[in-house]
Amino acid sequence: DAKTTQPNSMESNEEEPVHLPCNHSTISGTDYIHWYRQLPSQGPEYVIHGLTSNVNNRMASLAIAEDRKSSTLILHRATLRDAAVYYCILRDASNTGNQFYFGTGTSLTVIP
Amino acid sequence: DTAVSQTPKYLVTQMGNDKSIKCEQNLGHDTMYWYKQDSKKFLKIMFSYNNKELIINETVPNRFSPKSPDKAHLNLHINSLELGDSAVYFCASSRAGLVSSEQYFGPGTRLTVT
Repeated sequence: DAKTTQPNSMESNEEEPVHLPCNHSTISGTDYIHWYRQLPSQGPEYVIHGLTSNVNNRMASLAIAEDRKSSTLILHRATLRDAAVYYCILRDASNTGNQFYFGTGTSLTVIP
Repeated sequence: DTAVSQTPKYLVTQMGNDKSIKCEQNLGHDTMYWYKQDSKKFLKIMFSYNNKELIINETVPNRFSPKSPDKAHLNLHINSLELGDSAVYFCASSRAGLVSSEQYFGPGTRLTVT
C-alpha cells in the first residue's frame, strides 16, 4: 500500500474547525483514502473514507485534492473528546488481506 | 453490545510462559485481524483471517499462532514469551472483500512480559 505523510502533531482551540492534512503523492487510481483515530487507551476507530469525491459524515468531512495526491480531514468544531491520534491510510483493491498499514499519524491536542 | 471484544484487558506474565488472548466479534464479519502496538505507539498488522483461513502473516515469529475456531472468533496464542512481546494487541474485524469496508477494533489487550 502507498505511503502517507502527516504532521506529527497539531493543536486546535476548542469549538474551532481543525484541518488535518495528509500527503499521498504515490497514490494509485484504486487506492481508497481512509481516516481512523485512536483516542487515549482505546482501539482505533473509523472516521471517514473516500476515493475521489469529497465526503461528509456526522463525524467529519474529507476533502480530496483533484489530483488525489493529498487529502484533508476536517473536524468542523473540535471538542475535547476529539483529542486523539489521527491516521490517514491508503488501501487498494490488490490488498487481498484488507489489512491496514498504519503510519505514525497526527496527534491532535484540543485546547479548552 | 460490544462489537469486538477481547479478553483479558491486561496480562502480566514472565518470560518463557505461554499465554492466549481471545477475540470475539458479533458483527457477522468474515475477516478478522490482529495488530500489535509497541511502546512507541506504532500500530502494525500481524495477521489477517478470512472465513477462518489465514490470509496474511506479516513476518511474525512462529511463536505467535492465531487460531480461528469460527468466523466470530480469532484467538492469539503466544509461546515462550519474550520481553519484546510487551505491547498492546488489538483485534479487529471487517466485511470481507471490500477495500472500502471499515474495520472495527477491540479495546486492546496490554501484555507485559517481565
